[in-house]
Amino acid sequence: NAGVTQTPKFQVLKTGQSMTLQCAQDMNHNSMYWYRQDPGMGLRLIYYSASEGTTDKGEVPNGYNVSRLNKREFSLRLESAAPSQTSVYFCASSPGTGGANYGYTFGSGTRLTVV
Amino acid sequence: QKEVEQNSGPLSVPEGAIASLNCTYSDRGSQSFFWYRQYSGKSPELIMSIYSNGDKEDGRFTAQLNKASQYVSLLIRDSQPSDSATYLCAVLLSGTYKYIFGTGTRLKVLA
Repeated sequence: NAGVTQTPKFQVLKTGQSMTLQCAQDMNHNSMYWYRQDPGMGLRLIYYSASEGTTDKGEVPNGYNVSRLNKREFSLRLESAAPSQTSVYFCASSPGTGGANYGYTFGSGTRLTVV
Repeated sequence: QKEVEQNSGPLSVPEGAIASLNCTYSDRGSQSFFWYRQYSGKSPELIMSIYSNGDKEDGRFTAQLNKASQYVSLLIRDSQPSDSATYLCAVLLSGTYKYIFGTGTRLKVLA
């Protein structure tokens, strides 16, 4: 039982390059989320998908786009990477449809460095 | 005012003692609260959830919720060195699908 799988685990990008972070869950969860974690800032919500076919902005969406490809997969795209996007990115999923009272299962994270 | 606030620590306790971690939140309508543990370099792991005022116990962990005062706490009894980690408080904002996290409290249990 893999849970939430994120790829890649590490990535170095040059400023202006683009890339897509992949996330897949095998728990039949409805809701999926992307967070970034920076020292002293905690986990900040970038985008989320309450259910298949919907996506919404979180606290820090600028510079990112997302796609909920199907119920299992939720990808995060950086169109033109900037050094300010250097961070650890976590994907998470939750069983409920959006506001249900469930916690998350997190993926193992992607450590991204933009130079 | 931040939506979810935690003391960053570190909170140092001796092995076998009770560790008390606190969290305050600003959204008075929030109904769902969570505690996560995060070891250095790892992803957060859900350890407790609480929805009603009062205490909820699970093994060595007790979560406490006081909605009138807008705080949530986590007690760890018989603390072990393996409990040394950062503990994150998370709140589901009312009327939304958004979980907001505090910045976490770093706990160090001294052997």
